[in-house]
Amino acid sequence: AQSVTQLDSQVPVFEEAPVELRCNYSSSVSVYLFWYVQYPNQGLQLLLKYLSGSTLVKGINGFEAEFNKSQTSFHLRKPSVHISDTAEYFCAVNLNAGGTSYGKLTFGQGTILTVHP
Amino acid sequence: GAVVSQHPSWVICKSGTSVKIECRSLDFQATTMFWYRQFPKQSLMLMATSNEGSKATYEQGVEKDKFLINHASLTLSTLTVTSAHPEDSSFYICSARVGSGDTIYFGEGSWLTVV
Repeated sequence: AQSVTQLDSQVPVFEEAPVELRCNYSSSVSVYLFWYVQYPNQGLQLLLKYLSGSTLVKGINGFEAEFNKSQTSFHLRKPSVHISDTAEYFCAVNLNAGGTSYGKLTFGQGTILTVHP
Repeated sequence: GAVVSQHPSWVICKSGTSVKIECRSLDFQATTMFWYRQFPKQSLMLMATSNEGSKATYEQGVEKDKFLINHASLTLSTLTVTSAHPEDSSFYICSARVGSGDTIYFGEGSWLTVV
């Protein structure tokens, strides 16, 4: 079985500062990796995903993440955050086990990013 | 706008009654949909995979007789919480896969409160 660990439950940061949200995963098979954002009382919005190819993935809203297979990590970064980035961020994995399993996500515990003025 | 719609967004029901939550794909056909629940301040846990025209596949520990899933069409999956109890109060979120591709959309979620 796979698992996802988000190392920080809360990350406070000042506006325009860089931020990194950490995510490590454990799996005996290859995986697909995702980052989602959840605003209060809303569903999830996909920020970016890694399926194959380049290990540096660029997503929406200026976010990017790098897949590091040797360290089993998929950290999310943004060089300069805005107040509007305040939300909860979830890292997720999906076993790369064939088409029928795509979409069955295992989520991390979430990281609350709070951007202060 | 939202491409996956959940209804209702909020529902309060009495203990012992049943409540149905709908998940609709608005602009695409979804052979496969997924149901998650999220307790306050916790992560999302996959409950089941909903397959159009066939029985749902439940994750270990999820009671199939309590959480009834029906996927009768390519655009609609429903989750019925039967004989609801206060411990079933949670945020339920569905997601839908676009055809057989690699795009997944999540619904806005449904808050269930059982009193």
